[in-house]
Amino acid sequence: DTGVSQNPRHKITKRGQNVTFRCDPISEHNRLYWYRQTLGQGPEFLTYFQNEAQLEKSRLLSDRFSAERPKGSFSTLEIQRTEQGDSAMYLCASSLAGRDEAFFGQGTRLTVV
Amino acid sequence: AQSVTQLGSHVSVSEGALVLLRCNYSSSVPPYLFWYVQYPNQGLQLLLKYTTGATLVKGINGFEAEFKKSETSFHLTKPSAHMSDAAEYFCAVSPGSTPGNMLTFGGGTRLMVKP
Repeated sequence: DTGVSQNPRHKITKRGQNVTFRCDPISEHNRLYWYRQTLGQGPEFLTYFQNEAQLEKSRLLSDRFSAERPKGSFSTLEIQRTEQGDSAMYLCASSLAGRDEAFFGQGTRLTVV
Repeated sequence: AQSVTQLGSHVSVSEGALVLLRCNYSSSVPPYLFWYVQYPNQGLQLLLKYTTGATLVKGINGFEAEFKKSETSFHLTKPSAHMSDAAEYFCAVSPGSTPGNMLTFGGGTRLMVKP
């Protein structure tokens, strides 16, 4: 499978714990995006990387959130001190610079109890 | 800045009937427009896109959409609904050729298809 891969698919955590999600983009794609989707809503942009550089961050990305793409390939999204409001589907997408189509992974569903 | 409004959070049609899902956008620059479909607990799959050129665009699974600049609309249609079309549909806009091309999504429309 050469699509965007996200792990884990599901994560249940207790409030206050830290969680980390991983995204493996399509191999030749140099852009990588994170979106968050809450129940019944459309996805909202969180952040984007071109290669290893984080070029844009939404104001939705509070100080408890950090994203990295250390070698310009896979990316991680960490949430520290999780809150119930963090419960959502976290979607990763990748694309080629100069191309308009983004390909999405299946997402990681986070439930904070 | 961009925004997307999808009229009707739920649309119900009979199998074989016309599907019409509405999308209006606002954008401060020439937009790129997209329709994505999402099945339960899945990611988003691109149905079709408008960037430049022909305003009537055809996508997968028999869907098409028409970009109408004067109406700032990009409605999605399919002549005959199939049971397998039942899903959530999202309209999205990006700021055209601006580097980054981050997507702004509408709230989604859940399509239900009755036998």
